[in-house]
Amino acid sequence: KAGVTQTPRYLIKTRGQQVTLSCSPISGHRSVSWYQQTPGQGLQFLFEYFSETQRNKGNFPGRFSGRQFSNSRSEMNVSTLELGDSALYLCASSLSQGFYEQYFGPGTRLTVT
Amino acid sequence: GESVGLHLPTLSVQEGDNSIINCAYSNSASDYFIWYKQESGKGPQFIIDIRSNMDKRQGQRVTVLLNKTVKHLSLQIAATQPGDSAVYFCAEKDTGNQFYFGTGTSLTVIP
Repeated sequence: KAGVTQTPRYLIKTRGQQVTLSCSPISGHRSVSWYQQTPGQGLQFLFEYFSETQRNKGNFPGRFSGRQFSNSRSEMNVSTLELGDSALYLCASSLSQGFYEQYFGPGTRLTVT
Repeated sequence: GESVGLHLPTLSVQEGDNSIINCAYSNSASDYFIWYKQESGKGPQFIIDIRSNMDKRQGQRVTVLLNKTVKHLSLQIAATQPGDSAVYFCAEKDTGNQFYFGTGTSLTVIP
């Protein structure tokens, strides 16, 4: 069974731009969660989608948004990029809602210049 | 936010020895805990989890212990192997359905 895939793997953007990251969950998984990982803040939860609905949200500004499609694939969007948004963005999928037995993708490394 | 911290940022063990990685958490209402392993260039990998109604849970070569009295979580790895070298994170879910990760402990296995 294929694992969680994320595209692109690497991305360079400039301040003020927007970016869209994509995540394809493991087949049959309906929950997708997004996380930001930085050396300073560690791993932080962004949001969780289940059955195309955002079920849970971490403490991030409204510039961070996401959506989930009917095939469970998910996208995350960051608008008006700031230097501090440079991070590894990870998505994780699971069968059910709520952080249980999540499987992570390799992440998208975003660099904002 | 919640405080999920680790006592030691780095840990070195001899191959074949047992490893113990510790984690302190601050929210006594947290009801679910997970240990993850992250190798360089990869996303975190689920190792083992435990719910707050349990004190101990065992997997293959790993054991998680939960002490709710002192809000402490530990991961024990038996017969540590070079492939166990990685950063280990604990994470907790609170009853408000928020999820917090610790800062991580880097485990190095010396052959």
